[in-house]
Amino acid sequence: NAGVTQTPKFRVLKTGQSMTLLCAQDMNHEYMYWYRQDPGMGLRLIHYSVGEGTTAKGEVPDGYNVSRLKKQNFLLGLESAAPSQTSVYFCASSYSIAGGHRETQYFGPGTRLLVL
Amino acid sequence: GENVEQHPSTLSVQEGDSAVIKCTYSDSASNYFPWYKQELGKGPQLIIDIRSNVGEKKDQRIAVTLNKTAKHFSLHITETQPEDSAVYFCAAVSGGSYIPTFGRGTSLIVHP
Repeated sequence: NAGVTQTPKFRVLKTGQSMTLLCAQDMNHEYMYWYRQDPGMGLRLIHYSVGEGTTAKGEVPDGYNVSRLKKQNFLLGLESAAPSQTSVYFCASSYSIAGGHRETQYFGPGTRLLVL
Repeated sequence: GENVEQHPSTLSVQEGDSAVIKCTYSDSASNYFPWYKQELGKGPQLIIDIRSNVGEKKDQRIAVTLNKTAKHFSLHITETQPEDSAVYFCAAVSGGSYIPTFGRGTSLIVHP
């Protein structure tokens, strides 16, 4: 299993440009999440999804949109990038089975985004 | 909502020494406390976790302790090795939820 993969690994954008970050997981997990990581700020939740076709806002959702059209994919979109969105973005997934720990998150390798 | 404080932000030790990272949480309903290790250029990975019905859990050189009354939990690493150098995150999950609130991370540096 590849686990959680993210595309692209690194991207440079100009202010106002748009882009989509792709997260894919092959573990059949129900839940998926997008975080951003900034120096000294830890991991902050942007959006999450509890299943195909459902999404919800996290702690810092402004300026981002998400979609979960397929169970294995979770897309994060930036419609008009701003320098404040320069960050490292992590996708994660978790599962829910009888007796399973759905709180345990499995992270992807991250996408480094620089907005000029 | 839940608030998790983590200290110290940076910890430097000599190889073979012990390292302790401490976290406090605010929500008394939190009942699951995972610890993640993030190596340079990689995503965080779960290394150990503890639930509120136990006070301590060990896995080889790492251990986690939980004090529910004081609302704090700690990660203990004994006989540190250079490969333990990484950023460590604590987190707390409130009962009924499944989304962790993370601390801000501790950068552990183990000098050979």
